[in-house]
Amino acid sequence: EDQVTQSPEALRLQEGESSSLNCSYTVSGLRGLFWYRQDPGKGPEFLFTLYSAGEEKEKERLKATLTKKESFLHITAPKPEDSATYLCAVHRNTGKLIFGQGTTLQVKP
Amino acid sequence: EAGVTQFPSHSVIEKGQTVTLRCDPISGHDNLYWYRRVMGKEIKFLLHFVKESKQDESGMPNNRFLAERTGGTYSTLKVQPAELEDSGVYFCASSQVTGGSGNTIYFGEGSWLTVV
Repeated sequence: EDQVTQSPEALRLQEGESSSLNCSYTVSGLRGLFWYRQDPGKGPEFLFTLYSAGEEKEKERLKATLTKKESFLHITAPKPEDSATYLCAVHRNTGKLIFGQGTTLQVKP
Repeated sequence: EAGVTQFPSHSVIEKGQTVTLRCDPISGHDNLYWYRRVMGKEIKFLLHFVKESKQDESGMPNNRFLAERTGGTYSTLKVQPAELEDSGVYFCASSQVTGGSGNTIYFGEGSWLTVV
């Protein structure tokens, strides 16, 4: 059965303190792995799609990497405005996304 | 360019009543998806339209839920009659292509449903 597990569930960082979020997955026929950011009361906001092991993508302070079993979202020198829930989802070729529970990040000034 | 828009943003209804949620996808997106997040759980897939056809409705919880996409443009999701466990946030999403590289799936802000 397809499964996506994110860790940790919650993460508190001081401003400037770099860290990584993990997304482990088991899925047959992976067509892509998505990262989204979700702010309270809002919908998921697209960040990255990774398609093959070894691929990396960057956006500002965020960098996403992918292996055959997991993906990492690295946050370098985070700022308070990076506080949000980060969602990982695997994409099957049918179009369906399977989401993890998310990691709620809080960055304190 | 307008994103995925959903209406209403919030709805409070009594058990047994009917609610209809509407989604307008990004213009030109043939693929439209409905997802749901109930309290404490992850976002889960409900169904997928390609134009006006249902491609995959494996996530629909039961026959109290009816989704339509007449003309392949906007979509509605009707819950009739609503039960307490239907409370949650219903997300609509859209994309240009169905699978493979280059497919980005964009989400709306969600319709927050509370059944009392």
